[in-house]
Amino acid sequence: ETGVTQSPTHLIKTRGQQVTLRCSSQSGHNTVSWYQQALGQGPQFIFQYYREEENGRGNFPPRFSGLQFPNYSSELNVNALELDDSALYLCASSQGRGAGELFFGEGSRLTVL
Amino acid sequence: GESVGLHLPTLSVQEGDNSIINCAYSNSASDYFIWYKQESGKGPQFIIDIRSNMDKRQGQRVTVLLNKTVKHLSLQIAATQPGDSAVYFCAEKGYSGAGSYQLTFGKGTKLSVIP
Repeated sequence: ETGVTQSPTHLIKTRGQQVTLRCSSQSGHNTVSWYQQALGQGPQFIFQYYREEENGRGNFPPRFSGLQFPNYSSELNVNALELDDSALYLCASSQGRGAGELFFGEGSRLTVL
Repeated sequence: GESVGLHLPTLSVQEGDNSIINCAYSNSASDYFIWYKQESGKGPQFIIDIRSNMDKRQGQRVTVLLNKTVKHLSLQIAATQPGDSAVYFCAEKGYSGAGSYQLTFGKGTKLSVIP
């Protein structure tokens, strides 16, 4: 059974650019959630994808968007990057939208200069 | 809005001692709480959970206590080991619409184990 994998592990962008982060869910899981973790803070919920549709969103602007593919892998896209977008982006997979245990990946560390 | 927070940002304990990490929550309607451990450079790892119809739940070397009266959670780690050094988060499950749920995390407590 493979765990949650994310790529890239680290990347550096400049303000105004766009970034795409990728996540492969754990085998057997059909739901992917994305979280943003600023330095020294707890993770904050961005959104969740279930059966290729967004079905829950936190307090993040529309320039944060995502996709889920038929194999349940997912992408997080952030447009018009701002300095405050610098953070660790965590992907978590689960079975179902509800109270299933979340399994987190190691994250993608984004630095915006 | 509702929030989950922690009392102590850092905690240093001697190896072999017991550790207690505290967490306060503000949403009295919350019915499910989870403790996560996050080691440096890694994602959060599930430790133990508890539902609101329970006061206590035990795992291997860990115990979670829930006091709904004062909206307080604690994580107790018995015989703390160097491998327990990490940041610990409590998280609260909340409804985020369209049948989905999200976790609201506190800021975390950094546990340092002194050999």
